Amino acid sequence: GESVGLHLPTLSVQEGDNSIINCAYSNSASDYFIWYKQESGKGPQFIIDIRSNMDKRQGQRVTVLLNKTVKHLSLQIAATQPGDSAVYFCAENGGGFKTIFGAGTRLFVKA
Amino acid sequence: NAGVTQTPKFQVLKTGQSMTLQCAQDMNHNSMYWYRQDPGMGLRLIYYSASEGTTDKGEVPNGYNVSRLNKREFSLRLESAAPSQTSVYFCASLRRQGLDTEAFFGQGTRLTVV
Repeated sequence: GESVGLHLPTLSVQEGDNSIINCAYSNSASDYFIWYKQESGKGPQFIIDIRSNMDKRQGQRVTVLLNKTVKHLSLQIAATQPGDSAVYFCAENGGGFKTIFGAGTRLFVKA
Repeated sequence: NAGVTQTPKFQVLKTGQSMTLQCAQDMNHNSMYWYRQDPGMGLRLIYYSASEGTTDKGEVPNGYNVSRLNKREFSLRLESAAPSQTSVYFCASLRRQGLDTEAFFGQGTRLTVV
């Protein structure tokens, strides 16, 4: 069945370094991908999205890269800050109203 | 700006009890969703409502029912709670603007079934 998964369940980075969180998806028909950030005790919060007709999209300190050939996307966070510590989810949408979430990666930022 | 509001925030039920989780959004969004999140896992879609008056099953609908009471409110009901339904439940609404979509989530309801 369709699935979205993550390569690394946890990631620990030094404050100020760049972070890269990876995600693999299996549904080649998915045309829309989203990254969410979830802080402890809160609901997920939208970070950035990308459509399948794009390879890269940049936001404020974040960049999402999409490689459709290998069905992989990544979230890059520049100059990681302690406030970036959270669980990050990638999600895919293959059209319609269903969004499938991956299991999440926990990011720890060391001061 | 309230966004998506869920009640209650915490609930403990005994096996077999019933309860309704409430969700309301004030952003005039058409689509609303209920997810459950289990420890170490992503969110799994229980039910969704693409628009007022319609509801559809998601990935894990068994043991749940929903009601789209009006455009603002989308409730989730457990008729006979089971320990397997211990989870954190999130309600979300979806903003669609052209090709762009963005989901807004509530704070979650932590449910324990004993």
